[in-house]
Amino acid sequence: GEDVEQSLFLSVREGDSSVINCTYTDSSSTYLYWYKQEPGAGLQLLTYIFSNMDMKQDQRLTVLLNKKDKHLSLRIADTQTGDSAIYFCAEQSGGYQKVTFGTGTKLQVIP
Amino acid sequence: DTEVTQTPKHLVMGMTNKKSLKCEQHMGHRAMYWYKQKAKKPPELMFVYSYEKLSINESVPSRFSPECPNSSLLNLHLHALQPEDSALYLCASSQESAGEVGEQFFGPGTRLTVL
Repeated sequence: GEDVEQSLFLSVREGDSSVINCTYTDSSSTYLYWYKQEPGAGLQLLTYIFSNMDMKQDQRLTVLLNKKDKHLSLRIADTQTGDSAIYFCAEQSGGYQKVTFGTGTKLQVIP
Repeated sequence: DTEVTQTPKHLVMGMTNKKSLKCEQHMGHRAMYWYKQKAKKPPELMFVYSYEKLSINESVPSRFSPECPNSSLLNLHLHALQPEDSALYLCASSQESAGEVGEQFFGPGTRLTVL
């Protein structure tokens, strides 16, 4: 099947903004998610956006959704060293129990 | 309690061994999941249980056998595995309500090595 695509790696300086991009595949996806995975750990839901929205802000996190281009982005303001992790976008498709994860972006924050 | 626990944390087994992975949650979630995650790859869905019944099997080989003894527990029985089955096995749970945000809560995973 088609992959949910993300760029592999992003490096930013502490205090700068980070933008992680994702191209998803299913135009009928109901919800789109951003998960964070720290080394040796499971995934943690950061935020989500419903498909009829084009923007959602949650403290330092801003999600933008372009349904026409099937493009999703996550902006982290004032990036901290504790934000270093792998970030996965995910689309809910094929039934509400089935979530397909993106290829993952490793965020490195330089002090 | 918003935690999903998994045991063991690490498991090394030979190709002829039989072992089990365990997962537990006490959030009242009625959907539970097994994922397989290879290094530097996203999690891949293996199985979904809904109200203790298997609802999704993503064409997983029969050497992996899931079991849901009750609404809080999920097991994955392993038998005659191959070295390529070495991976991080993640368990997750979620509310079972169509049309709602399907937030999945993940456990920390079991790191499995097959020799």
